[in-house]
Amino acid sequence: QVQLVESGGGVVQPGRSLRLSCAASGFIFSNYAMHWVRQAPGKGLEWVAVISYDGSNKYYTDSVKGRFTISRDTPKSTVYLQMNSLRAEDTAVYYCARSRAAAGTPTDYWGQGTLVTVSS
Amino acid sequence: DIQLTQSPSFLSASVGDRVTITCRASQGISSYLAWYQQKPGKAPNLLIYAASTLQSGVPSRFSGSGSGTEFTLTISSLQPEDFATYYCQQLNSYSLTFGGGTKVEIK
Repeated sequence: QVQLVESGGGVVQPGRSLRLSCAASGFIFSNYAMHWVRQAPGKGLEWVAVISYDGSNKYYTDSVKGRFTISRDTPKSTVYLQMNSLRAEDTAVYYCARSRAAAGTPTDYWGQGTLVTVSS
Repeated sequence: DIQLTQSPSFLSASVGDRVTITCRASQGISSYLAWYQQKPGKAPNLLIYAASTLQSGVPSRFSGSGSGTEFTLTISSLQPEDFATYYCQQLNSYSLTFGGGTKVEIK
């Protein structure tokens, strides 16, 4: 069965870095685009970034451009989110999700999420 | 970026009620719209995509309609397990924005 398992969350000071991982299993990883979506405490969903099936295309929401980098390791079936220069407003549960393409198709499976808290 | 406005943001209803949630896009997105259900502490669950296609395993009491800039999610007869928050998401561009959410609570 399809599984997405996020890890790497935790408490980090403003301005520091953190790398999230999402390990995928149960499907052909190289056939799918992968997304990160976040949800601040008590707030709605915010799409963060997507990487195409082959890693050749990456897109980000404006608020993280230049600070966050999405990448993937196909042999390890893992997608990453490198988060630099973290701010208090980056505090959220971060979910990874898959879709058939980087745009035009929905995210049909999601992980359980990992909590990132940016605080001094 | 394309903005999505959901209404209402909060809805109180009873079991058996017919419920309709609206999602309006700031520009035309054809049928590139999905709906998700999220329960507290859980990841979102895909209900509908391409505006009106029911995801496999989703009960038929859920339906979606619309195209262009106006879309609706309808629950024909609300069940106890349907009390949750619902989000629309546009899939038309590479910035896959979500609506603000509609929380459906028990009257």
